[in-house]
Amino acid sequence: EVQLVESGGGLVQPGGSLRLSCEASGFTFSTYYIHWVRQAPGKGLVWVSRIKSDGSSTNYADSVKGRFTISRDNAMNTVYLQMNSLRAEDTAVYYCASFDFWSGYAVWGQGTTVTVSS
Amino acid sequence: DIVMTQSPDSLAVSLGERATINCKSSQSVLYSSNNKNYLAWYQQKPGQPPKLLIYWASTRESGVPDRFSGSGSGTDFTLTISSLQAEDVAVYHCHQYYSSPLTFGGGTKVEIK
Repeated sequence: EVQLVESGGGLVQPGGSLRLSCEASGFTFSTYYIHWVRQAPGKGLVWVSRIKSDGSSTNYADSVKGRFTISRDNAMNTVYLQMNSLRAEDTAVYYCASFDFWSGYAVWGQGTTVTVSS
Repeated sequence: DIVMTQSPDSLAVSLGERATINCKSSQSVLYSSNNKNYLAWYQQKPGQPPKLLIYWASTRESGVPDRFSGSGSGTDFTLTISSLQAEDVAVYHCHQYYSSPLTFGGGTKVEIK
């Protein structure tokens, strides 16, 4: 079964850090770009970051640039999102998704919730 | 950035009736070299991640019922549910993957009247 499973979310104080993980199974992980997309409570979907299949290129939304770092370990079929200097506005469900240049986001994880609050 | 604008924000449709959702992009998402519109539609049910329904503006993803159809080109797109079923209650999102940053519409909530 093709699957992405996120973990690492939780409650953190403003200024704190979290590391999210996204573990893949059932497909050739190392050939896909992986993206992070977030959804604040009651809001729409917002792209956060992406990493190329071999990890050689990364991109970030302006709202997280300099605070978040995406990385991957293809031997472990896992992508990470290191989130530092967290703010209340980072509170959201974070989804990882595999990106296909033909069809967009064909596979999504179930999401992990990040709450930034004192 | 390409801004995606969906309308309406919500709609209520009777079972078996047609539901129509519109999506407008602030610039064309038509890739001239292959004549494909890089526009997708996702369905999101409460507490679940989005699910890909339509890509290239009008191609149904495998396993998606044929009551779902997409149309449009350039900057104006439509998702149509031809005969609404109870299981179609969800939020529907349009998404452009033509250029970075990838962007989404604000979502349209579909309910039963």
